[in-house]
Amino acid sequence: EAAVTQSPRNKVAVTGGKVTLSCNQTNNHNNMYWYRQDTGHGLRLIHYSYGAGSTEKGDIPDGYKASRPSQENFSLILELATPSQTSVYFCASGGDWGVYAEQFFGPGTRLTVL
Amino acid sequence: GDSVTQTEGPVTLSEGTSLTVNCSYETKQYPTLFWYVQYPGEGPQLLFKVPKANEKGSSRGFEATYNKEATSFHLQKASVQESDSAVYYCALSDHSGGSNYKLTFGKGTLLTVTP
Repeated sequence: EAAVTQSPRNKVAVTGGKVTLSCNQTNNHNNMYWYRQDTGHGLRLIHYSYGAGSTEKGDIPDGYKASRPSQENFSLILELATPSQTSVYFCASGGDWGVYAEQFFGPGTRLTVL
Repeated sequence: GDSVTQTEGPVTLSEGTSLTVNCSYETKQYPTLFWYVQYPGEGPQLLFKVPKANEKGSSRGFEATYNKEATSFHLQKASVQESDSAVYYCALSDHSGGSNYKLTFGKGTLLTVTP
């Protein structure tokens, strides 16, 4: 049974519109992450969270907000979507075992902004 | 900041040939090193991790040795199969504060194995 799920799996949005990507994890991990994946750039960290109520900026946070209302849920919000935000977005969860922990990824959301 | 550089793809190999994907890293810390694999249509998944220098990790016939002196963590497999076709990511861990951490990924290497 999948431990990290994402919804929607595919999304088409219009420029200037608001987009919310959702992530749910059943690993009981404190840490959650949002990445985008683009050809030539690999995986880049957008936002992450240490636990419910916390959000931290990653390496490319501009144009994105994040929300962590509970241990299980972590959302990525594009208030004013732009075509440059067309990408595949991955959510991940990870434990509190310091450098020994691994991250568990969801299946991804393909976002197209027209 | 931390960085990871790996073999630029795409890499195309025939079944039964050997694979090496180079990975070099830069960090001021003493990281754990990871190899992730991403099959088409899926999210990345851990292939293996190595927390200590001079130790080797392995899984599914793939292996890599944590070389602290050379700051390298090259992925190798003696004989690839068509089912190994995927994107491979090298990554290192980074303490972002307290006991929490985040991963820095390389750009990924697309491997295609032909029959």
